Parts: sequence; C-alpha cells; structure tokens
Amino acid sequence: GNSVTQMEGPVTLSEEAFLTINCTYTATGYPSLFWYVQYPGEGLQLLLKATKADDKGSNKGFEATYRKETTSFHLEKGSVQVSDSAVYFCALSNTGFQKLVFGTGTRLLVSP
Amino acid sequence: ETGVTQSPTHLIKTRGQQVTLRCSSQSGHNTVSWYQQALGQGPQFIFQYYREEENGRGNFPPRFSGLQFPNYSSELNVNALELDDSALYLCASSLVTRTAGGVNEQFFGPGTRLTVL
Repeated sequence: GNSVTQMEGPVTLSEEAFLTINCTYTATGYPSLFWYVQYPGEGLQLLLKATKADDKGSNKGFEATYRKETTSFHLEKGSVQVSDSAVYFCALSNTGFQKLVFGTGTRLLVSP
Repeated sequence: ETGVTQSPTHLIKTRGQQVTLRCSSQSGHNTVSWYQQALGQGPQFIFQYYREEENGRGNFPPRFSGLQFPNYSSELNVNALELDDSALYLCASSLVTRTAGGVNEQFFGPGTRLTVL
C-alpha cells in the first residue's frame, strides 16, 4: 500500500538557519506529492505540491523536488524564521481518488 | 469566499455515547473528506463523499458513518464511542471534476477536538 515516511522531530533551529525535512514515499503508480503545515491550534494548510517527477513545488521560500528515482520529496528552506515554527506533514495522493496519505509529521522549532 | 468551517470546536463525550460532527464546505466545492488525527500523528483518512455518495473509505469500522447534503455540507457520525476515538477530526473540501485527471487541492477546516472519557 501507499505510505509516507518523515524524519522524526523536533527539528530545532536558530533563525536564518537552513532547513531540510526528509520525506520518502512508497506508492503504486505515479502519485502527487504535498507538503502541508499545521500551526498550533489550526487545521492543515497546503504549503506546496508537485504532480510529476522532477517537478519542483515552491511557496513562501520553501521548496521540494519530486525525485522518482529516490522516491523522495524533501522540504527545504534557505533561511527559516520564528514564524515558520509549526508541524510539517508530507503527503501523497494517487490521481483519480482524492485520498491523502500523510506522514507522521515533523515539528519545527525556530528560536530567535 | 468562505473557507471550510467545522462545529463544534471541542467536544467531550463518554465511552459508549454517539457523536455528530459537522462541516461546511468551501463555496463551490463538491467533495468532502474526513480525517482523524490522533495526538502526535498524521491525519488518517476516514472516508470521502462526492455529490452525496460515499466515494471511498479508509480502515475505519462501520460505527464511523457520514452524510453529505445537497449543499455539500457534511456530517461525521461515530457510534459506541471508544477511548481511542479521542482525536482531532478534520474535514477537507475540494472541487472534483471527473473530466480532468490530476489531483485537486483539498482545503482543510480547523478541526473538532473530540475527547472520550
């Protein structure tokens, strides 16, 4: 079946540090890949997505590239801010059916 | 444009009781999905409704049931509550058009936090 594996957190960084959160997946076919962010007390917000191999999703300084050969979709940001502190979820979905399969989430803590 | 809303925000029930959670879709959306997010875990897919019909179900027992109404709002019902049902329940809506391939973005509501004692 389909599954997503994320690096465990929390990830603790100082402001302006470089961020990488690893995500790998197992899926049949050619899934679409997503990163969602969840701020404290809130629901999930879509951060970025990629729908085919070698696509790069980007938003708010975050980037992730769909790597089919390594089945990965790592999240990166060059310079994090305190306001980026949240839980980040990697997810996949196969086309034709909208079910999202999520990883367990990675908590990011950014200190001033 | 109104986003996805859910009610109530918080709910406390006792084991064996029944609960109904509600979700209003974003305007123009025709599909609603429900997810269960246990503490410290990622959301798990419960089921999805498309145009008032169930369109797929995750690994949840039949005591989890749902409805979608003509205005595309939705309810999640859980019977015979168990302690492990304590979680954040998330609703997500999207616009699905059968003629197109690809994946449509799901917009999530803030969730209902259910505590079962």
